[in-house]
Amino acid sequence: AQKVTQAQTEISVVEKEDVTLDCVYETRDTTYYLFWYKQPPSGELVFLIRRNSFDEQNEISGRYSWNFQKSTSSFNFTITASQVVDSAVYFCALRGFDQAGTALIFGKGTTLSVSS
Amino acid sequence: DTEVTQTPKHLVMGMTNKKSLKCEQHMGHRAMYWYKQKAKKPPELMFVYSYEKLSINESVPSRFSPECPNSSLLNLHLHALQPEDSALYLCASSQASGGYGYTFGSGTRLTVV
Repeated sequence: AQKVTQAQTEISVVEKEDVTLDCVYETRDTTYYLFWYKQPPSGELVFLIRRNSFDEQNEISGRYSWNFQKSTSSFNFTITASQVVDSAVYFCALRGFDQAGTALIFGKGTTLSVSS
Repeated sequence: DTEVTQTPKHLVMGMTNKKSLKCEQHMGHRAMYWYKQKAKKPPELMFVYSYEKLSINESVPSRFSPECPNSSLLNLHLHALQPEDSALYLCASSQASGGYGYTFGSGTRLTVV
């Protein structure tokens, strides 16, 4: 069975603090894809990153960075120097490669609140 | 065009009404999805269409009826809904194979009264 666990339900930080959102996944697939999505109060799901299981390189995009470690089945997301606009619900999601047409499996999400 | 368009954005319906949600994409994606999202919860998969054929139905009540008339269009027909069906309904599309990006629409906020 596939499963995504986001243990942090809510995180509150003050602007300019760094914050890390944790994601742990379970899958029996040897090839799989991991995703992070942001959902602001307006409701749309905004794609942030996709990582396939063969690529363990960390990635940085502006203030965002991702740390993928297959050994611990984790795909953590760090926001550096957080801003109020980062306030949203963040979802980690998993998709198996061999299940053509199968949908994303979402974690329960982490609500991030950034105050000024 | 890199968008998934959902209409309407908001819908209020009575329990005896029949209504439809519409989803459209022109990215050539051959897999389309309906998700239901309750407040403070993650999206839950309802249906998956792959090459216009229903491939996954996650035990959704028959008062929700999906339809995929062509590769660009996905509908969700609603009939005799209950107040607990009030939620955000999200449509998404992706290439049919592999783990390439999923594109989500902005959703329809449905309220059943």
